[in-house]
Amino acid sequence: EIVLTQSPATLSLSPGERATLSCRASQTFSNYLAWYQQKPGQTPRLLIYDASNRATGIPARFSGSGSGTDFTLTISSLEPEDFAVYYCQQRSNWPPYSFGQGTKLEI
Amino acid sequence: EVQLVGSGGGLVQPGGSLRLSCAASGFTFSTYAMSWVRQAPGKGLEWVSAVSGSGGDTFYTDSVKGRFTISRDNSRNMLFLQMNSLRAEDTAVYYCTRDKQKYFDLWGRGTLVTVSS
Repeated sequence: EIVLTQSPATLSLSPGERATLSCRASQTFSNYLAWYQQKPGQTPRLLIYDASNRATGIPARFSGSGSGTDFTLTISSLEPEDFAVYYCQQRSNWPPYSFGQGTKLEI
Repeated sequence: EVQLVGSGGGLVQPGGSLRLSCAASGFTFSTYAMSWVRQAPGKGLEWVSAVSGSGGDTFYTDSVKGRFTISRDNSRNMLFLQMNSLRAEDTAVYYCTRDKQKYFDLWGRGTLVTVSS
C-alpha cells in the first residue's frame, strides 16, 4: 500500500500570498495523483488529477506538479474562499486508493 | 442536475448492521464505477469500497473485508453499502462518490454512521 504524507499539517497565510502544499509518497509511482479541497461542513471537491490537470471549473490559480514520490499543489494568490483542508490521493497502486492526512490552510 | 444523495445512516450498537443507499441522477450511472469514502469525526478521508459500472467487480479496504458489501442497481441508479458486524471505529460520515478514471469527481451528501452502545 502506498502511504501519502502531506506537509505541513497546518499552513498559515494571508489572502494574496502564494501557498505551496506537499504530498510525499512511500514509493515511487506515475503521476496518478489528485488533490481535493474540503471546506468546513462541505463535501470534498476534486481540484487536480493526474498530478497537474485542473478539474472542470477549477480556477487557474490552482496548479499541481511533481512526479515519482514528490508532488506539490500551488495556489498562486490566495483568495478568502481558498482557506480549507486539502488532501492528496493516489490511484496508481490500488486497491486500496489512499489519501494523505490533509493540510489545513488557515488565515 | 448531476448529483448523488446518500442516506441510511444512524446510530447502531456494536455488532449491528446498517445499509447505506445513494441515489444518482443527471448522468449515465451504469457507465461509472462508484465508491464509498468515509471520514471519521475530525479526521481525514478513507476509501472504503468500490464497484465497477456493471456491478461485477467489487473492492474493499482490508479493515472492512468480510463485513461490508457494496452493490448497485443500475435499473434504479442506486448504490448500496451493507455494513455488518459494525465496530466503534466504523463511526464516520460516509460519502458515495463517482469514480472518473479512479479519481472521485462527484461526491454525495454524506450520511453519518455512529456505532455506540
